[in-house]
Amino acid sequence: DGGITQSPKYLFRKEGQNVTLSCEQNLNHDAMYWYRQDPGQGLRLIYYSQIVNDFQKGDIAEGYSVSREKKESFPLTVTSAQKNPTAFYLCASSIGGLAGNTGELFFGEGSRLTVL
Amino acid sequence: KQEVTQIPAALSVPEGENLVLNCSFTDSAIYNLQWFRQDPGKGLTSLLLIQSSQREQTSGRLNASLDKSSGRSTLYIAASQPGDSATYLCAVRLLRGSTLGRLYFGRGTQLTVWP
Repeated sequence: DGGITQSPKYLFRKEGQNVTLSCEQNLNHDAMYWYRQDPGQGLRLIYYSQIVNDFQKGDIAEGYSVSREKKESFPLTVTSAQKNPTAFYLCASSIGGLAGNTGELFFGEGSRLTVL
Repeated sequence: KQEVTQIPAALSVPEGENLVLNCSFTDSAIYNLQWFRQDPGKGLTSLLLIQSSQREQTSGRLNASLDKSSGRSTLYIAASQPGDSATYLCAVRLLRGSTLGRLYFGRGTQLTVWP
């Protein structure tokens, strides 16, 4: 089945530790996104990538880092510099470019990070 | 910057009612508008996508309309069922020159349908 796989589903971290959330897609999509969701705040864009080896900061990139070495993969690292990392993290992807593209966005099932 | 507002924030109705969820946006230069459903602790599931040139889309008991000039979209749910209970989010994608722009999300409408 084609889709987006996020792992782990639940993650616990001690303060001061870096953690990496995995996002893999087999939809052959060029564009990938990371969002953070907090209760009452809606989805906020952390980073996005429209092509391999390129990515841009979203609205809340501080304390996070990403890489896009392969088309299928867009891992997110939550660093110790992120002051309030406890949240639900969602990865998404879509076809890049305009030609014949509906621009539809597809999501993974999310990863819940809790800092102890 | 695009602002997306969803009204109401929460809605609780008895089974069988027809519902209207509202979404408004400030920048009409959109590429598309997408409605999602989110169950607690889960990712977002795409329900309907309306291109900027379209006026409405239908899927089963769901119908979404788009009025770009007034910056509004509505999601109509016919004959609601308890299984429709979830949070419904709308998102607009902007067009930026020759590339797709980013999406902007509303905060969602939390729907509860009771038997």
